[in-house]
Amino acid sequence: ILNVEQSPQSLHVQEGDSTNFTCSFPSSNFYALHWYRWETAKSPEALFVMTLNGDEKKKGRISATLNTKEGYSYLYIKGSQPEDSATYLCAFVDSWGKLQFGAGTQVVVTP
Amino acid sequence: SQTIHQWPATLVQPVGSPLSLECTVEGTSNPNLYWYRQAAGRGLQLLFYSVGIGQISSEVPQNLSASRPQDRQFILSSKKLLLSDSGFYLCAWSRDRTNTGELFFGEGSRLTVL
Repeated sequence: ILNVEQSPQSLHVQEGDSTNFTCSFPSSNFYALHWYRWETAKSPEALFVMTLNGDEKKKGRISATLNTKEGYSYLYIKGSQPEDSATYLCAFVDSWGKLQFGAGTQVVVTP
Repeated sequence: SQTIHQWPATLVQPVGSPLSLECTVEGTSNPNLYWYRQAAGRGLQLLFYSVGIGQISSEVPQNLSASRPQDRQFILSSKKLLLSDSGFYLCAWSRDRTNTGELFFGEGSRLTVL
């Protein structure tokens, strides 16, 4: 099983502040990296699927970057709002086409 | 539009009892289907995946089994539950076998084995 690591495990953000967190993955044989948002009592929902080194994707106030050569991706939340509170999961597609998930970063945005 | 539904949402079962969790997908054909489990404080672990009727791949040796009797139906089963089977189970589907496309998840089933 390949190591997909997310840090920090959790973070608290004041409403209006921006934040970012990391997903690291094996840099060899890269296929794709997924980001999901998992809100309490809901299903995980896809934010981004990234496939190219240098990719930058944006959805509203959330954006992500990808560095496949060094094996990391950053997720950024600009101007955090309480509705951004969720666990953010990244998942690496291994050479067998299987998604290997990290343990997630739990984000709590306080008003 | 496509939907995925799994049930039951919550289950409390004694050790040694059987288990059946069911997942169905609507609005698409020949989806790839997956069962994941989240144990406390850990990420999602892939248990089984299926690319077609009757085709099941198991990721980790365990006390569970999966079946796909119909194109859009995926069932997770156990003959005798263990305490370690407790956790949150998620069914998911995708269009893309290479997983360069996103996964769509069901609502989840929380299993507590006592």
